Amino acid sequence: QKEVEQNSGPLSVPEGAIASLNCTYSDRGSQSFFWYRQYSGKSPELIMFIYSNGDKEDGRFTAQLNKASQYVSLLIRDSQPSDSATYLCAVSPAGTALIFGKGTTLSVSS
Amino acid sequence: DADVTQTPRNRITKTGKRIMLECSQTKGHDRMYWYRQDPGLGLRLIYYSFDVKDINKGEISDGYSVSRQAQAKFSLSLESAIPNQTALYFCATSDPGPRETQYFGPGTRLLVL
Repeated sequence: QKEVEQNSGPLSVPEGAIASLNCTYSDRGSQSFFWYRQYSGKSPELIMFIYSNGDKEDGRFTAQLNKASQYVSLLIRDSQPSDSATYLCAVSPAGTALIFGKGTTLSVSS
Repeated sequence: DADVTQTPRNRITKTGKRIMLECSQTKGHDRMYWYRQDPGLGLRLIYYSFDVKDINKGEISDGYSVSRQAQAKFSLSLESAIPNQTALYFCATSDPGPRETQYFGPGTRLLVL
């Protein structure tokens, strides 16, 4: 069974700190990797995708991918209270639907 | 107007009733999905469709059925609702490719009494 694992949290960080969210996956054939943010009661929204080993930066967000270790991470710099949400890691195995992790809840305190 | 719409947004029904949740999209995407979300369990895939003639079971399809009426429409049915189907249901769409991104509807909150 293809799996995506995330620490459920909650991960608590003070405002201005770096939040680090981690994800591991089981299917070595996975091609693309996504991070979605979901506010309570709302639908998930895409914030980052990555498909090559290394880092990808977009504003305060950096996604990191290590295919050899089957590991994806999301760093949020200068964390803000508005970043408080659940972050879902999703993995795209070849030829099938995305597989989502259970999500990590982030709480940023002011 | 929203690209992915779901109706109804909220529904209360009784055990044993048949209900249908509907999803429509204006993004022109071929692929559509139904998920349910329960506290602590994340998003679980119920069914997905890669085109109008393609229907695939997901992780938790028992008790559910789907219909892909057109490229833009994908309906989820609960033939005989039971209380443990109480959940938040999301429809999503995507186009194939290495940067395939799923776009989610606003969700339908279902309560089965």
